[in-house]
Amino acid sequence: GAVVSQHPSWVICKSGTSVKIECRSLDFQATTMFWYRQFPKQSLMLMATSNEGSKATYEQGVEKDKFLINHASLTLSTLTVTSAHPEDSSFYICSARAGTGNYEQYFGPGTRLTVT
Amino acid sequence: KQEVTQIPAALSVPEGENLVLNCSFTDSAIYNLQWFRQDPGKGLTSLLLIQSSQREQTSGRLNASLDKSSGRSTLYIAASQPGDSATYLCASPSAGTDKLIFGTGTRLQVFP
Repeated sequence: GAVVSQHPSWVICKSGTSVKIECRSLDFQATTMFWYRQFPKQSLMLMATSNEGSKATYEQGVEKDKFLINHASLTLSTLTVTSAHPEDSSFYICSARAGTGNYEQYFGPGTRLTVT
Repeated sequence: KQEVTQIPAALSVPEGENLVLNCSFTDSAIYNLQWFRQDPGKGLTSLLLIQSSQREQTSGRLNASLDKSSGRSTLYIAASQPGDSATYLCASPSAGTDKLIFGTGTRLQVFP
């Protein structure tokens, strides 16, 4: 149990275009989903926290107009990178949690974004 | 603000050795602490989750301990194998927040 999927697993796009990444909890309902970004040889950095049905909370330094997060259902959250630029190239990982506070987060397999 | 650090940053050992990976955190008021494994270009695999009330957790050849008073956790890997080669990350939220703070990771290579 507790499986989280991401789609696509990798994507290449041209500078200036937008890319949408999906995160799904397959066998549980996720009240909260998290989006992380990981640059090569670095650790994961939290970008934003989203609760189903409400606006996402973004970490300091993360542009909310550039990284649009939608958590429309208890099993799906999407991250849209708008007007992507080469510096947005990174590994994006989502996680999902069934409850609040002390509940464990389950991580997706990640999406590799390359902007040319 | 929670800060998590890991030492060593990289470790290369021959097969069969017992290993200790270290994780330090600044805010001891934590709900739990997790250890993850990450293979190159892949997502995270959860290895062990230690609740704040626990002192250790074991899974197969892995044993994780937690000492909140000193702000430390260790991951012990017994009889290491080449298949254990990966980056190991520890992570913990600060109490009262939803944010999982990750350590810098230890890159482990076990050679035959």
